[in-house]
Amino acid sequence: KAGVTQTPRYLIKTRGQQVTLSCSPISGHRSVSWYQQTPGQGLQFLFEYFSETQRNKGNFPGRFSGRQFSNSRSEMNVSTLELGDSALYLCASSLAPSEETQYFGPGTRLLVL
Amino acid sequence: SQQGEEDPQALSIQEGENATMNCSYKTSINNLQWYRQNSGRGLVHLILIRSNEREKHSGRLRVTLDTSKKSSSLLITASRAADTASYFCATGGFDNYGQNFVFGPGTRLSVLP
Repeated sequence: KAGVTQTPRYLIKTRGQQVTLSCSPISGHRSVSWYQQTPGQGLQFLFEYFSETQRNKGNFPGRFSGRQFSNSRSEMNVSTLELGDSALYLCASSLAPSEETQYFGPGTRLLVL
Repeated sequence: SQQGEEDPQALSIQEGENATMNCSYKTSINNLQWYRQNSGRGLVHLILIRSNEREKHSGRLRVTLDTSKKSSSLLITASRAADTASYFCATGGFDNYGQNFVFGPGTRLSVLP
């Protein structure tokens, strides 16, 4: 069974631009969560989607948004990029929101110049 | 916050030695998980221990959980150079939205050949 895939793997943007990251969960998994990882703040929860609905959201500004499609694939969007948005963005999938184990993708490394 | 805090922040040992990492948290939890992350990549799930369990083993890994002290430890026996990675504990608990996971800052383990 294929694992969680994330595209693109690397991205360079400039301040003020917007970016869209994509995540394809493991086949059969319907819950997708997004995390931001930075050296200073560690792993921080962004949001979780299940059945195309956002179920939970972390403490991030409205510039960070996401969505989930009917095939469980998810995208996250960051608008008006700031230097501090440079991070590794990780997507994790699980069968359902209450599942105990999440399976992580390799991440998308975003650099904002 | 139920955030886990790993200790130590960094650990350097020789190949063949045992490595012990600790995780403390603040509130009651349903489960606690340990993940490994190789440099700048996605997280790999290692082991999950539920709040009613005290010890679990998986290969060279041994995890203990002391809910009275709100702490857990991860022991890696007979370490190998390939064990060099960052290790994170994640506490799982339920809120109004369902299960959520909070990650600690991680322990960076270096296993020297």
